[in-house]
Amino acid sequence: GAGVSQSPSNKVTEKGKDVELRCDPISGHTALYWYRQSLGQGLEFLIYFQGNSAPDKSGLPSDRFSAERTGESVSTLTIQRTQQEDSAVYLCASSLGGSVEAFFGQGTRLTVV
Amino acid sequence: GQSLEQPSEVTAVEGAIVQINCTYQTSGFYGLSWYQQHDGGAPTFLSYNALDGLEETGRFSSFLSRSDSYGYLLLQELQMKDSASYFCAVREDNYGQNFVFGPGTRLSVLP
Repeated sequence: GAGVSQSPSNKVTEKGKDVELRCDPISGHTALYWYRQSLGQGLEFLIYFQGNSAPDKSGLPSDRFSAERTGESVSTLTIQRTQQEDSAVYLCASSLGGSVEAFFGQGTRLTVV
Repeated sequence: GQSLEQPSEVTAVEGAIVQINCTYQTSGFYGLSWYQQHDGGAPTFLSYNALDGLEETGRFSSFLSRSDSYGYLLLQELQMKDSASYFCAVREDNYGQNFVFGPGTRLSVLP
């Protein structure tokens, strides 16, 4: 596809379960970001990948959160032992190296019940 | 610490001009971006200012004053479709491309 693709679009999970969120960036984009957006709020930075460099994990809220990226393609955000406060929309974005314009996916709406 | 401030809501009528302000306090500053997000949609890039002054792109313009840690987005000839949330975002790091986002301003355009 031409844009950033995220799956699933919606996920309902029980408290304590693990979830995996997937992001397919635009082909050729070396930078990939994960953000979290709570209802009516701004975007909270989680993690940033740039090429083969070590990722910037400074925004991950706890050690229950982790993310991986395979080369310069797919990324997976994993949340272990989900809590109700993890409920939010998780947005992925990608950009060309050196570009300040980030292209966002439609997000995954996570609901922890 | 880092903080960005924006008005939470702005209301205007079709055809009018509206200015959405953004003030920031961050550990580093290399530029200010603006994004638009319609309800349920993905944020989309509008503009980026690295230097002081006004950048114009069609009906939208963005301004930056680094000495005042301040910027604004100016929307002219408002249309109903401009009703959305608008976020400013600061680029803190010259090596990375990570941005810190503001809380967003919800713009409502009335007929």
